[in-house]
Amino acid sequence: AQSVAQPEDQVNVAEGNPLTVKCTYSVSGNPYLFWYVQYPNRGLQFLLKYITGDNLVKGSYGFEAEFNKSQTSFHLKKPSALVSDSALYFCAVRDGGATNKLIFGTGTLLAVQP
Amino acid sequence: ETGVTQTPRHLVMGMTNKKSLKCEQHLGHNAMYWYKQSAKKPLELMFVYSLEERVENNSVPSRFSPECPNSSHLFLHLHTLQPEDSALYLCASSQGGTGGGVTGELFFGEGSRLTVL
Repeated sequence: AQSVAQPEDQVNVAEGNPLTVKCTYSVSGNPYLFWYVQYPNRGLQFLLKYITGDNLVKGSYGFEAEFNKSQTSFHLKKPSALVSDSALYFCAVRDGGATNKLIFGTGTLLAVQP
Repeated sequence: ETGVTQTPRHLVMGMTNKKSLKCEQHLGHNAMYWYKQSAKKPLELMFVYSLEERVENNSVPSRFSPECPNSSHLFLHLHTLQPEDSALYLCASSQGGTGGGVTGELFFGEGSRLTVL
């Protein structure tokens, strides 16, 4: 079965510093990987996805993610963190089949200090 | 505004009540989903509908009953719930029914916060 793991419950970073939120995956076949963000009292919002092609994927709000097949990782990155980036971040993998059913990780809370 | 609207945003109910959560999508999608979000747990996929047919039911207790009358609407009927059912219930939609278009993202509503007393 497809799965993703987010090893960190929380990541703390100072504003202006680079940030990384980690995700590793386990899939059979080609992985379709996603990052979503959830702001307080809101639903999940799509950030970016990897389907095929370049290993560095660019998404919304200046975020990017690097697909690494040998390490089975898909870490989310941003060169310079903003306080407004503070939110819950979810990594997800498509589970196959005829719909876009996604399997999500447990989420990582990103806290950006001013 | 994601194009997916959930009502009510907050619901408090007793264990013997019957209530329903509603989801409506304005995106022309043909697949809809119910997810349950509990603190410190992965999002749990509950039900998937594709072209108004239920294609997945992930061992969800029968006290949760989904209904998809058309491709734009999805309901979750609730009865005799337990306190551990308290959670944020998220509805999502996507373009991708049987046959293709399955690499697109999910669009989520803002969720219905359910508290069972």
